[in-house]
Amino acid sequence: AQKVTQAQTEISVVEKEDVTLDCVYETRDTTYYLFWYKQPPSGELVFLIRRNSFDEQNEISGRYSWNFQKSTSSFNFTITASQVVDSAVYFCALSGVVDNFNKFYFGSGTKLNVKP
Amino acid sequence: GAGVSQSPRYKVAKRGQDVALRCDPISGHVSLFWYQQALGQGPEFLTYFQNEAQLDKSGLPSDRFFAERPEGSVSTLKIQRTQQEDSAVYLCASSFGLGYRDANEQFFGPGTRLTVL
Repeated sequence: AQKVTQAQTEISVVEKEDVTLDCVYETRDTTYYLFWYKQPPSGELVFLIRRNSFDEQNEISGRYSWNFQKSTSSFNFTITASQVVDSAVYFCALSGVVDNFNKFYFGSGTKLNVKP
Repeated sequence: GAGVSQSPRYKVAKRGQDVALRCDPISGHVSLFWYQQALGQGPEFLTYFQNEAQLDKSGLPSDRFFAERPEGSVSTLKIQRTQQEDSAVYLCASSFGLGYRDANEQFFGPGTRLTVL
């Protein structure tokens, strides 16, 4: 079964602090993809990153970075020097070969509050 | 360069009414997905179309839920005899690829918030 767990329901930080959002996944697939999406108050999910199971290189994009570790089935997301505009709900998602990659399994999300 | 659009944005229905929710995907996107998002939860898969073919409807919660995409572009999610437990945000997403080889990013619409009284 495919499952994504985001244990942190809500996190509050003060602007400029670094924050890490945790994502742990379960899958029997050997080939799968992991995603992070941002959902601002407007409701529309915004794509942030896609990572396949064969690529464990960490990725950095501006203030955002992602740490993928197959050994611990985790795909954590770090925001450096957080800003108020980062306030949103963040979702981690999994898509596997068993579903022909056409079904996304989302975690329950982590709400990030960045205070000025 | 329009994104995925959905209408209506908000819908209030009395229990037992039928509702129809519309999704306009990004032009040229072959794949279309519907998700249901309950309050405080992540989106849950409902169904998937490749062009006009509905290839997976395993997530539809009951036979009261029906989706179609007759011409391979616009899609409609219909809920018959709505119940209170149907209250949720219904999200539509589209992607360019067909899947099979890899998972393409899905582009989401703003959703339709359905409230059943």
